[in-house]
Amino acid sequence: NAGVTQTPKFQVLKTGQSMTLQCAQDMNHNSMYWYRQDPGMGLRLIYYSASEGTTDKGEVPNGYNVSRLNKREFSLRLESAAPSQTSVYFCASGGRGPYEQYFGPGTRLTVT
Amino acid sequence: GESVGLHLPTLSVQEGDNSIINCAYSNSASDYFIWYKQESGKGPQFIIDIRSNMDKRQGQRVTVLLNKTVKHLSLQIAATQPGDSAVYFCAENPTGNTGKLIFGQGTTLQVKP
Repeated sequence: NAGVTQTPKFQVLKTGQSMTLQCAQDMNHNSMYWYRQDPGMGLRLIYYSASEGTTDKGEVPNGYNVSRLNKREFSLRLESAAPSQTSVYFCASGGRGPYEQYFGPGTRLTVT
Repeated sequence: GESVGLHLPTLSVQEGDNSIINCAYSNSASDYFIWYKQESGKGPQFIIDIRSNMDKRQGQRVTVLLNKTVKHLSLQIAATQPGDSAVYFCAENPTGNTGKLIFGQGTTLQVKP
């Protein structure tokens, strides 16, 4: 099992460009999450999906959209990137209950 | 709003000693607390969790203590090893069964050989 995979690993964007971060899990989990982590900070929840077909906002949703494509895949889209969105993005899926979350390796995004 | 914080940004311990990492939380309604470990360049890894109706829970070399009176959570690591060097985050679940966790800022544990 690969667990949670994320692509790309690194990305540099110019202000105003758009991109989609991909996430997939092979653990048959219902819930999936997108977080961002800024230097010296904990993780902040952007969006989550409790199950296939549902999504909901987290703590910092502005500037992002998500799609729960199927049970395995949960993508995060930046429509018009801003320097404030420079961060490391982590995708996670929920295992035994939603609290034991399994994280992917992260995508390091820089917006110039 | 709710906040979860850690008392010390960096903790340095000698290999073989016990480590204690502390966390303060503010939402008395939180019903679930989790500790995660994040090694450099990797995603966080689940260590141990505890429900609010418990005071203590033990895992392999780790123990989590919960003091609801003072809203304090701690992670104890026995016989700390170099592989324990990482950033440790506590997280709380304040809003039902959604998994919408609130993370603290993290404590960096440095293990000296």
